[in-house]
Amino acid sequence: DTGVSQNPRHKITKRGQNVTFRCDPISEHNRLYWYRQTLGQGPEFLTYFQNEAQLEKSRLLSDRFSAERPKGSFSTLEIQRTEQGDSAMYLCASSLGGFGTDTQYFGPGTRLTVL
Amino acid sequence: EDQVTQSPEALRLQEGESSSLNCSYTVSGLRGLFWYRQDPGKGPEFLFTLYSAGEEKEKERLKATLTKKESFLHITAPKPEDSATYLCAVHPRGGYNKLIFGAGTRLAVHP
Repeated sequence: DTGVSQNPRHKITKRGQNVTFRCDPISEHNRLYWYRQTLGQGPEFLTYFQNEAQLEKSRLLSDRFSAERPKGSFSTLEIQRTEQGDSAMYLCASSLGGFGTDTQYFGPGTRLTVL
Repeated sequence: EDQVTQSPEALRLQEGESSSLNCSYTVSGLRGLFWYRQDPGKGPEFLFTLYSAGEEKEKERLKATLTKKESFLHITAPKPEDSATYLCAVHPRGGYNKLIFGAGTRLAVHP
């Protein structure tokens, strides 16, 4: 399978704990995105990387959230001191890049439940 | 503010009963409009990209069209396996490459 992969697929944690999610993009894609999706809503943009550079961050990404993409390959999203409101599906997407708009391909997501 | 509104929120069809889903958008400038399909518990699956008013794209029983203010996803003679949530997203001009999604239309096709 050469699509976007995410791990873990499910995470249950207690309030106040830290969690980290991993995303492996499609191998030749240099753009990587994180989105968050709650029940009954569409995905909301969190952050965007071009290669290893984090070029855009949403206001949704509070100080408790941090994302990295070392060496421009896989990416991690860490949430510190989790809150119940952080419960959601966290989606990663990647795209090839180039001029103009390009298609974002999504992974299966990581479902986070904060108790 | 850039915004995407999809209607209806939910749609129930009998197998073979054709219908259309609507996506209305307000953006400062449109670089592209995307349709995705999402099955429960899974990530969105890409269907179409439309770039300019008047453009149409087809794939099996699905046809997407675009005007200056909205897009339609036409479903012809749907089958139960077409049941899913259909998401519309816009890529506005300016900024980088974030997509702005609507809340989706939940489609259920019954035999």
